[in-house]
Amino acid sequence: RKEVEQDPGPFNVPEGATVAFNCTYSNSASQSFFWYRQDCRKEPKLLMSVYSSGNEDGRFTAQLNRASQYISLLIRDSKLSDSATYLCVVTFTGTASKLTFGTGTRLQVTL
Amino acid sequence: NAGVTQTPKFRVLKTGQSMTLLCAQDMNHEYMYWYRQDPGMGLRLIHYSVGEGTTAKGEVPDGYNVSRLKKQNFLLGLESAAPSQTSVYFCASSQGAYNSPLHFGNGTRLTVT
Repeated sequence: RKEVEQDPGPFNVPEGATVAFNCTYSNSASQSFFWYRQDCRKEPKLLMSVYSSGNEDGRFTAQLNRASQYISLLIRDSKLSDSATYLCVVTFTGTASKLTFGTGTRLQVTL
Repeated sequence: NAGVTQTPKFRVLKTGQSMTLLCAQDMNHEYMYWYRQDPGMGLRLIHYSVGEGTTAKGEVPDGYNVSRLKKQNFLLGLESAAPSQTSVYFCASSQGAYNSPLHFGNGTRLTVT
């Protein structure tokens, strides 16, 4: 099993729709979680951190489910400009600290 | 504020040639990283540094060397390029380790023929 797994998509949604992605992780001791956004042929950029209690930033909501070992990203009222690949990042700090990227989920928002 | 700057943006090498990728950050970050990104593989860590004068191996270090002589610069070297090193290379920096967000450069597209 991969350490961090994401559905590659693409998720094709119309403008205004709500869409959600999940990211599962295998290390139950993982400690920090992030969502990054990567536009085509560009560098990844931090979208938001994921906190234990869940957090929201405008149209974006991130959730953590430790029991089932996954994080989620919900995008409400999708815009054309939301079209991108969304990468989840999971970190573990211990005797062998590690930061692992998922391979990303591609979102295409259409008119 | 430039953030993280990588040079060059594009490069084509022949097998066996060498080159150095340059990364500079102006955020006074302690931690710097080199990643490669290949289709379907995600970002994989090549080497990283936790401070000036220190370097460590990441997930895929073979065929690469690094140096961090100054805090703001992190160099990635390919001594003898191979076609398997065709990839997009990203440099990143962070304030702290693992729990801090990464700031990425624009990337270097390298093709080895």
